[in-house]
Formats: sequence, C-alpha cells, structure tokens
Amino acid sequence: DTAVSQTPKYLVTQMGNDKSIKCEQNLGHDTMYWYKQDSKKFLKIMFSYNNKELIINETVPNRFSPKSPDKAHLNLHINSLELGDSAVYFCASSQRTSGGETQYFGPGTRLLVL
Amino acid sequence: AQKITQTQPGMFVQEKEAVTLDCTYDTSDPSYGLFWYKQPSSGEMIFLIYQGSYDQQNATEGRYSLNFQKARKSANLVISASQLGDSAMYFCAMREKNAGNMLTFGGGTRLMVKP
Repeated sequence: DTAVSQTPKYLVTQMGNDKSIKCEQNLGHDTMYWYKQDSKKFLKIMFSYNNKELIINETVPNRFSPKSPDKAHLNLHINSLELGDSAVYFCASSQRTSGGETQYFGPGTRLLVL
Repeated sequence: AQKITQTQPGMFVQEKEAVTLDCTYDTSDPSYGLFWYKQPSSGEMIFLIYQGSYDQQNATEGRYSLNFQKARKSANLVISASQLGDSAMYFCAMREKNAGNMLTFGGGTRLMVKP
C-alpha cells in the first residue's frame, strides 16, 4: 500500500491554464505539506497544513492554493500557470507528536508548462 | 544566510567503502531536528535517518549513521560499505519548531558509487 500518493504523476499543460494536483496519505498523519523541486534539484517548502492552521511560505505566489477536503487529502490548485511553474511538486505528511515528526514524501508530480 | 549547507555538489566513492556527506546548519531555535533523504534517479524522496537536537547519541539506521556535532552545527551522513544502489542525490534537511515544523533543505549532494 502506498503511504503517500499523488496524481497525476506527469502533467503537461499550456500557460494560463488552471490545474490541480491531488495528494492522499493513508498514514493517519495530521499534517500535510507541499514542496517544489526546481530544475536544479533545489527543494522548497510551499505550504504546511493541518486541520487547525495553514502556514504559507511567503514566497509562494497567491496563484497557488492548497485545498483539504479532509485530513487525508491536501490538493494543490494552481491558477494561471506560468512557464516558471514547471517543476516537480512533492506532497508529504507527518504526525505532530513529540519526537522526530518525520515527513514521508509522495512520488512527486512532474509539471511542465508550455 | 543559508540555513542548510551541503558543500559537496558531487562525490565518488568506491563500492564497499565508507563515505561521509557533509551538512552544516544554522539555527537559533533550541528545538530542531535534522533529516537525511535519498533521491534516486527515479525521483522519489526516501527518508533515511533523523537526529533530534536533544538526542544524546548519534542516530544509526543500518548502514547509515549521522555524525552529529552540535557545537559545530554539523550533521554529516556516513554510509558504510557503499553499494551501487546508493548512487543518488542526498539531501540534508532541518525542521525548526519555531518555523512551523516545515523542512528546509540543503542543495543536495550527488553520490556516485563506482564498481
């Protein structure tokens, strides 16, 4: 069973379109995250979300919005896609308890904006 | 200032030898955690090992160990008995309690294991 899953795995779209990437975790974790990995492999946090608070990295454009229908899902919606949005997007989850709070990552979604 | 620095963009190691991947960090938060992740060419992010700021002993997980030197703010990953399958990108990351527990990643080190 996949712990953290993302769909789609690949997404190719035109500039200006709106798209969503879905993320689901079956680990029972209470916190989920979205990260962006650029072409130079640099990983950067975009959002952290649990049922109590959303923390947004201030550098993330407001065209990006997380949507959580329930505790096990955190989808990423992107409006008006731009060329610079091309990247790999990773979803992750963790449990907010004392200890390591290790984040487990999904397989990634490779987004290409043309 | 960079919060996580990995100074080795690429490294080679001979199969069956040990290798150390460097990671230094910068934080004023007394409560933090340090993580290492492996990213093979297939792209997934695989958790390897964790070290908490209050842990007294260095973390170990199989062939992976973390050389934690708190005063020097370093958290180097040691891989013993390298295998060909260890060839991958390795990322050091830090979680700070005062930063909402989100991870900040270093730039990564590409490790190549030679047969």
